[in-house]
Amino acid sequence: DAGVTQSPTHLIKTRGQQVTLRCSPKSGHDTVSWYQQALGQGPQFIFQYYEEEERQRGNFPDRFSGHQFPNYSSELNVNALLLGDSALYLCASSLGQGTNSYEQYFGPGTRLTVT
Amino acid sequence: SQQGEEDPQALSIQEGENATMNCSYKTSINNLQWYRQNSGRGLVHLILIRSNEREKHSGRLRVTLDTSKKSSSLLITASRAADTASYFCAGGNYGQNFVFGPGTRLSVLP
Repeated sequence: DAGVTQSPTHLIKTRGQQVTLRCSPKSGHDTVSWYQQALGQGPQFIFQYYEEEERQRGNFPDRFSGHQFPNYSSELNVNALLLGDSALYLCASSLGQGTNSYEQYFGPGTRLTVT
Repeated sequence: SQQGEEDPQALSIQEGENATMNCSYKTSINNLQWYRQNSGRGLVHLILIRSNEREKHSGRLRVTLDTSKKSSSLLITASRAADTASYFCAGGNYGQNFVFGPGTRLSVLP
């Protein structure tokens, strides 16, 4: 049973560039959430996708956007990168909204460094 | 505002001792989850406790939930060096995202 996978593992970008991170949910899961975790901090919720639509959004600017595909995989895009965007980006999958199963399973993360 | 706030921020114990971490939250939740994170890697789901439960066990883990005090505790018994990690709590509601606290950094010394 495949868990949550993310790619790439590490990424180095320059200020002003754009980046795309990818996530494949755990088998059987249909909901994907993205989190940003700065060093020494807890994960901060970015947004959640379900049925290919953004369902919830945290306090992040429009530079952060996403997409969910019919196979439930998801992408996180960040435009006009800032130094402060350097963080570990975590993807979490879960099963459905409004169901009684809301355990989130996390991927290993993508470490983004902006120079 | 953060839904989960762990206490203490850091904890250092000897192998074999018990470790207790606390979590407080601000608004109503219908479940609370505890996660472990090793060295900035992905979070590992440890245990989920629902708002109608008061205590839950999983192996060496014991979690309690007091909804009247909006608090939870995680007890790790007979700790091992491999338990060294950061521990996070996150409260959530149906279909809602989870809000994490800053975590407790646990060091288990051999």
